[in-house]
Order: sequence, then C-alpha cells, then structure tokens
Amino acid sequence: DSGVTQTPKHLITATGQRVTLRCSPRSGDLSVYWYQQSLDQGLQFLIQYYNGEERAKGNILERFSAQQFPDLHSELNLSSLELGDSALYFCASSAGASGNEQFFGPGTRLTVL
Amino acid sequence: GDSVTQMEGPVTLSEEAFLTINCTYTATGYPSLFWYVQYPGEGLQLLLKATKADDKGSNKGFEATYRKETTSFHLEKGSVQVSDSAVYFCALTDQAGTALIFGKGTTLSVSS
Repeated sequence: DSGVTQTPKHLITATGQRVTLRCSPRSGDLSVYWYQQSLDQGLQFLIQYYNGEERAKGNILERFSAQQFPDLHSELNLSSLELGDSALYFCASSAGASGNEQFFGPGTRLTVL
Repeated sequence: GDSVTQMEGPVTLSEEAFLTINCTYTATGYPSLFWYVQYPGEGLQLLLKATKADDKGSNKGFEATYRKETTSFHLEKGSVQVSDSAVYFCALTDQAGTALIFGKGTTLSVSS
C-alpha cells in the first residue's frame, strides 16, 4: 500500500458526460501528479500540482482540468467524454516539487460507452 | 524530446532463471532513472532508482546500473520467482525534473 488513495475504483459513463476523479496523497506529500494509462498511448503525464498551485503540464486535453485543494487532495475533471478517454487514470504523490520518487495510487478505471 | 525504449515482451521464464529487461533512454541533461512494477490489477510500485551516472539501484534482488555512456538502465535479477510475474516499466524524469516519462512496459511471466 503506497498511502495514495483514489476514488472511485471503477467508473462507467456515456459519451458527452462529465466525471470527477479524486486523489488523496500520502500524508505529508505536497505534490500530486495525474497520469493516463491507455493501450495505445501507454503511460502519459497529464498535470502536476504542488501545494495547491499548478506546477507542470503534460499532454492534458483542454476538456480535462484538475485542482488541488487546501487539504492537498486533488480532483481531475474530465468533460465531454469520448470513447478514446477510456483508460486507467493514476494519481501519484511526492514529498517535494521534484519528480523523484513518486508514489502511485491504485488507479481509477474509466470506461466511456 | 526525452524518451525511453524498452525491450518488447512478453518475456517468459522458468523459476530460478536469470532475468534481463533492456532499457535505453534519450535525454538532454542528467535525468534520474527508475524501474516501476505493476502487478495485475494494481498501481505502479517503485522498484528501484538511480539518480546519477554509475549509480546502482537495487531492491528485492533486482538491480540496475545507470550507464551514461550507453544511455542504458537494464534491469537484472539472478533468480526469478513466480511472484515476480508483472509488467515492468522503465522511466526517467523529464527535463524539468518533475514528470516521469515511461517506456511501454515489458510483461514478465514466470512459470514453476
């Protein structure tokens, strides 16, 4: 158990809908990262928040957004969902702003029908 | 841009066999290098890491050495067990030192 929690574990929704994925980092960690794992693209970095502020952005679509709250938990919002958004979404956390030693949560499996 | 190339799988071995999973990288600067493991139905677990050239990361019998001259970080284990069956990902930190860039993963299957 990495100490990073993610909810829900599974999510099934329809095209065009909006969903929110939630992540709680390990106790004391200030950074949260979001990654998408799909069969065709592999594991891709989406976005990083550090102590409530956006710090780095990767291949995140404009339909996707994230935020980190004062208690350091983070939410990833996915809107206008398409079939191709079906994937495993992982959250990771680290103590500082640097990406060294990220601890991953169990993931949320999103299925868009 | 920075990238990681891993050997294609699946790799199928008998218990107690020697394991090598090749990983090479392309990067500007001096990234940190990692091996992560993903067991079926679970998230990624950090297996080992190395932060500078010639560093050797090791954990649970697995080892990898950061080779700058060959831009490689091959994963090795002397004697695999059935419980080592999983997907192994090689990764590096990006130029900003924040995000991880992953290889496509190598599936290892060990039979008794």
